Amino acid sequence: EIVLTQSPATLSVSPGERATLSCRASQSVGSNLAWYQQKPGQAPRLLIYGASTRATGIPASFSGSGSGTEFTLTISGLQSEDFAVYYCQQYNNWPVTFGPGTKVDIK
Amino acid sequence: QVQLVESGGGVVQPGGSLRLSCEASGFTFSRYGIYWVRQAPGKGLEWMAFIRFDGSEEYYADSVKGRFTVSRDNSKNILYLQMNSLRAEDTAVYYCAKVIITIFGVVHYVMDVWGQGTTVTVSS
Repeated sequence: EIVLTQSPATLSVSPGERATLSCRASQSVGSNLAWYQQKPGQAPRLLIYGASTRATGIPASFSGSGSGTEFTLTISGLQSEDFAVYYCQQYNNWPVTFGPGTKVDIK
Repeated sequence: QVQLVESGGGVVQPGGSLRLSCEASGFTFSRYGIYWVRQAPGKGLEWMAFIRFDGSEEYYADSVKGRFTVSRDNSKNILYLQMNSLRAEDTAVYYCAKVIITIFGVVHYVMDVWGQGTTVTVSS
């Protein structure tokens, strides 16, 4: 099973600033990595798939990069609605696995 | 509007059974593989099961293999999760979610559209 590690666990950011989230895989997943956003009491929302492709309706302030074992989600110009928990997920191998999440909160 | 709606959650005693449903609308259900994903209270996301678009293959997490069964009825646009031998650790919100198929026909096994979730509580 591929283990995903996300860092940091919590990221405190001021509105308008940039947030950089990391996801590391225990073995290569190629570009088969996705990012999700989840707000309290809501279902997760797909942000990025294929490591860097934005899902439908996702603003350009969200960008993904990386391949192999190292991936980054960057959120530019954080807005109030961006404060949430972010999960990465690999789908290169069964079982698909999620990272433990990074909480982005207001500084 | 693409939509998935889960139902069937509730309170069940340890060792009991429950069947969840996921009703799809707004897309060609029979073309898409569908996931079940759960989230225990205060915890992260955990993939449970996946069934291919035509029901030809199923995959399960080790934690539920042999206890949970995923199935689908493409004529009714409904996905099911039969849960047997339930344990306290199965307490969670259960979501269904569809994969992505790009305009080039490439399938990305990510969770594109999610339902609102249905809550399962296993407790005596």
